Amino acid sequence: GQNIDQPTEMTATEGAIVQINCTYQTSGFNGLFWYQQHAGEAPTFLSYNVLDGLEEKGRFSSFLSRSKGYSYLLLKELQMKDSASYLCAVKTGGSYIPTFGRGTSLIVHP
Amino acid sequence: GAVVSQHPSWVICKSGTSVKIECRSLDFQATTMFWYRQFPKQSLMLMATSNEGSKATYEQGVEKDKFLINHASLTLSTLTVTSAHPEDSSFYICSAPQRLAGSTDTQYFGPGTRLTVL
Repeated sequence: GQNIDQPTEMTATEGAIVQINCTYQTSGFNGLFWYQQHAGEAPTFLSYNVLDGLEEKGRFSSFLSRSKGYSYLLLKELQMKDSASYLCAVKTGGSYIPTFGRGTSLIVHP
Repeated sequence: GAVVSQHPSWVICKSGTSVKIECRSLDFQATTMFWYRQFPKQSLMLMATSNEGSKATYEQGVEKDKFLINHASLTLSTLTVTSAHPEDSSFYICSAPQRLAGSTDTQYFGPGTRLTVL
């Protein structure tokens, strides 16, 4: 089976930087996704990492270390609209269906 | 970008009735779609894989006779919750795979359907 662990909740200040961590234990790792989900809405794709290193996309960056089973999502210049749940999802083996973590609820306050 | 729609966005029904949820891919064809269920503050749980022109594949613990899936065309999959009960109240989300640049797929999700069974 797979085990994906994320903090349940984080808070941060508008304009600041926040790092959301995700650790996983799995066999046949084949990629890690980050999704953003606002309350009552479907998740939207943010990033995909399959090789070690940092992928930067505007205010959001995602990092992966396969040897450590670890990823983080870095959000810069936080805005109030970034308040949402951030889901880490891991893909394994030949399946293209990822397994989702429980998500981290991020609260951005003024 | 790829768009997936769901209908209805929310539904309230009485216990024992059946509810049908539609999932459509609007600007692409999807031979495969996925149905998820999400309880409050919980993760997305895959219920089943919907395959166009063949039977759906259900995840362990999901009753196929209760959650009927029909993938009648390349752009439409339906999930019918039969004889719904209050414990079936949840947020149901469908998705379809889309190819990212390179060789991997991501999931494009529909907006979800909030089902409340009284």
